Amino acid sequence: DAKTTQPTSMDCAEGRAANLPCNHSTISGNEYVYWYRQIHSQGPQYIIHGLKNNETNEMASLIITEDRKSSTLILPHATLRDTAVYYCIVRVLERSNDYKLSFGAGTTVTVRA
Amino acid sequence: DGGITQSPKYLFRKEGQNVTLSCEQNLNHDAMYWYRQDPGQGLRLIYYSQIVNDFQKGDIAEGYSVSREKKESFPLTVTSAQKNPTAFYLCASRKGTEETQYFGPGTRLLVL
Repeated sequence: DAKTTQPTSMDCAEGRAANLPCNHSTISGNEYVYWYRQIHSQGPQYIIHGLKNNETNEMASLIITEDRKSSTLILPHATLRDTAVYYCIVRVLERSNDYKLSFGAGTTVTVRA
Repeated sequence: DGGITQSPKYLFRKEGQNVTLSCEQNLNHDAMYWYRQDPGQGLRLIYYSQIVNDFQKGDIAEGYSVSREKKESFPLTVTSAQKNPTAFYLCASRKGTEETQYFGPGTRLLVL
């Protein structure tokens, strides 16, 4: 399994971009990078995922380095509601078409007014 | 509304008692998952099911049991063999052709 390394916590000013790094140096060629977030006492929420190319959706952008050993999640204009634990996950494939997500401790992001 | 529901939101268990946590989805998703989360920790996989009447153990299956008799339902039983059941339990589902898992709101289990 490819492991991920994230900072334990980070602060961000409201209205500014939040850049969340993730290292996954042992990632395999067919493994995707996923980002989820979990607001306190709620279920995790899917944000974005990617394989090689950079991705953007209405929530965030995902930048993956060319060697795929690290990635950055960008929240372009952080709001107080973005305060959450952010998980960077590399998908593990088990059997045919089975998937499981291995959640680490994540990064606790606090957006301050 | 389509989505995943878990009930109850809070559940209390006495020592030596089995309890069952409900997870229902009306998204027509094929796969369903149960995770456990302890304070300050990430999620750990308990069981998962790809299709009806089939399920596999995850990383911490001991002391838990599941069934998948219907596509939309994946109940989790926390048995008396689970010595430290106090945790936040999360259910998720996934459409067979897609990567993303969608999570329910969770059930918080407390032992009295």
